[in-house]
Amino acid sequence: DAGITQSPRYKITETGRQVTLMCHQTWSHSYMFWYRQDLGHGLRLIYYSAAADITDKGEVPDGYVVSRSKTENFPLTLESATRSQTSVYFCASTNRDSTYEQYFGPGTRLTVT
Amino acid sequence: AQKVTQAQTEISVVEKEDVTLDCVYETRDTTYYLFWYKQPPSGELVFLIRRNSFDEQNEISGRYSWNFQKSTSSFNFTITASQVVDSAVYFCALHIWGNQGGKLIFGQGTELSVKP
Repeated sequence: DAGITQSPRYKITETGRQVTLMCHQTWSHSYMFWYRQDLGHGLRLIYYSAAADITDKGEVPDGYVVSRSKTENFPLTLESATRSQTSVYFCASTNRDSTYEQYFGPGTRLTVT
Repeated sequence: AQKVTQAQTEISVVEKEDVTLDCVYETRDTTYYLFWYKQPPSGELVFLIRRNSFDEQNEISGRYSWNFQKSTSSFNFTITASQVVDSAVYFCALHIWGNQGGKLIFGQGTELSVKP
């Protein structure tokens, strides 16, 4: 399917487990982003990537790891999940450069018990 | 500090009323970009508008209009004759430059409820 997809859409995990959220886009966009959405905080940037093998921290990177070996994929890993990481996670991408509108995936609802 | 403030957490109106969503931003950049996104109850994020700092013309798209004022660092969004389908959370965002390219800083969002 064309566009930007996220998997899984829903995930329940236990505290201390490692979890990887996947993001895949078919447009060959250079920029990709990971956000978390929490009530009262809006969308906060976790990590972003300007191109394959180029990543940088956003506002709330602690406890998360990213990699980008291929342009189309941008996985987000929670190394040791905590309850405070319970959230909805959105992946996004943009073409041309970062000043243009971002296209968002459908989101992954993660619950850490 | 570079940030976006949406002071209105929730707004409730009756259908056909006009409603304005406020957005105030702070940035040290002279060239910058502002955005509005809509998040309906289904959860997806939908792009509405992008505006650069050199273009202060107001924009109208159907029932939607945007008022950009650099003097007050505001980029407000007005819905005319609101409809139930306008019920959503609306986010204002500011593009800023980081170490490895650019990124968006979002406001906390305004939840708009339009009642029939």
